[in-house]
Amino acid sequence: DAGVIQSPRHEVTEMGQEVTLRCKPISGHDYLFWYRQTMMRGLELLIYFNNNVPIDDSGMPEDRFSAKMPNASFSTLKIQPSEPRDSAVYFCASSLLWDSHGGYTFGSGTRLTVV
Amino acid sequence: SQELEQSPQSLIVQEGKNLTINCTSSKTLYGLYWYKQKYGEGLIFLMMLQKGGEEKSHEKITAKLDEKKQQSSLHITASQPSHAGIYLCGAASGTYKYIFGTGTRLKVLA
Repeated sequence: DAGVIQSPRHEVTEMGQEVTLRCKPISGHDYLFWYRQTMMRGLELLIYFNNNVPIDDSGMPEDRFSAKMPNASFSTLKIQPSEPRDSAVYFCASSLLWDSHGGYTFGSGTRLTVV
Repeated sequence: SQELEQSPQSLIVQEGKNLTINCTSSKTLYGLYWYKQKYGEGLIFLMMLQKGGEEKSHEKITAKLDEKKQQSSLHITASQPSHAGIYLCGAASGTYKYIFGTGTRLKVLA
């Protein structure tokens, strides 16, 4: 398995533009998580899915953020409109169980810069 | 809400030295994970500790869980430049919620 695949690796966009981040989890993993990492706040859970269904989106900062998982092999995190304070590294992770003894498998992240 | 605090925040050691990183929880721990993150990359799972007093090792990295103290420690013996990176602890916070510590940045000087 190629692991969790995220795209793009880097994204630079202008304030007000729509940004879409993509994630392909490991096949067979029932849980998918979106995290955001900044120097100030560390790693924060934004939303997670179980069997393609959003379970907890309480970490999504604002209505400008939305996430979907149309099928077991694909998820998107969309920011519309983007703002400079959204600049961060966004990670997608997947797991067989939510408390898997093998931990979560993380993607390489998308570094988003909003100018 | 539960929080995980790591200490120290950053650490610079000479190659060959031993070091310890601590992770303290504001609430009871029911399982503790350790991850390593190389700069600019994703997190790599190191190990999970589930029971109080449990100790696990992976190569030269040893982690212990002290449930009474709501704390876990990660110890690296004879550090090498390859150990450099950010070490994060993670734990379940309520049902189906998983939080991470503030991270410890480790630099190993050759």
